[in-house]
Amino acid sequence: GEDVEQSLFLSVREGDSSVINCTYTDSSSTYLYWYKQEPGAGLQLLTYIFSNMDMKQDQRLTVLLNKKDKHLSLRIADTQTGDSAIYFCAVFLNTPLVFGKGTRLSVIA
Amino acid sequence: DSGVTQTPKHLITATGQRVTLRCSPRSGDLSVYWYQQSLDQGLQFLIQYYNGEERAKGNILERFSAQQFPDLHSELNLSSLELGDSALYFCASGQTNTEAFFGQGTRLTVV
Repeated sequence: GEDVEQSLFLSVREGDSSVINCTYTDSSSTYLYWYKQEPGAGLQLLTYIFSNMDMKQDQRLTVLLNKKDKHLSLRIADTQTGDSAIYFCAVFLNTPLVFGKGTRLSVIA
Repeated sequence: DSGVTQTPKHLITATGQRVTLRCSPRSGDLSVYWYQQSLDQGLQFLIQYYNGEERAKGNILERFSAQQFPDLHSELNLSSLELGDSALYFCASGQTNTEAFFGQGTRLTVV
């Protein structure tokens, strides 16, 4: 089945850009998502991209998709302390979403 | 607020017991998904219902079962509970197969 991998931790300084990376195994994945989970909360859908797109921008968030390398990234511009959370990459093929284990983003003031 | 409501927020129970977790989907959503989040396994898909019918099954134990009622709310039943069942259980809903909006989760602690 589909496998989704993410690095576990990322630490950045406030005001810098954060880049969270994700790789997946099935090139047929059609929709790819980024979710955010704050402590004690559920998963908040941040953004998604269709597999026929290379890039999607939404305010401070930029999603890049490299289908050849099966690599998805989320860039957060001007990272703020409120962006500290766990970020999950998820992919959809023909079954409900498969999630990576999440990247814990720590923002240092 | 995603519009998905889960109750209870917290549940503490003893090994061997049975519990029921409840989920109310967003208005108009026909799909309901259940996920289990634990520290070591991450987010694991358990089961999906669509308009009352089971649509997809993931890593759901035989001790666990779910159903979706005519008003589209769903319940996840966990029985013969073990310490290892302690986790966050999330419900998500969506109008199509390609979207999932998550509730706040139910934290289950088995002692």
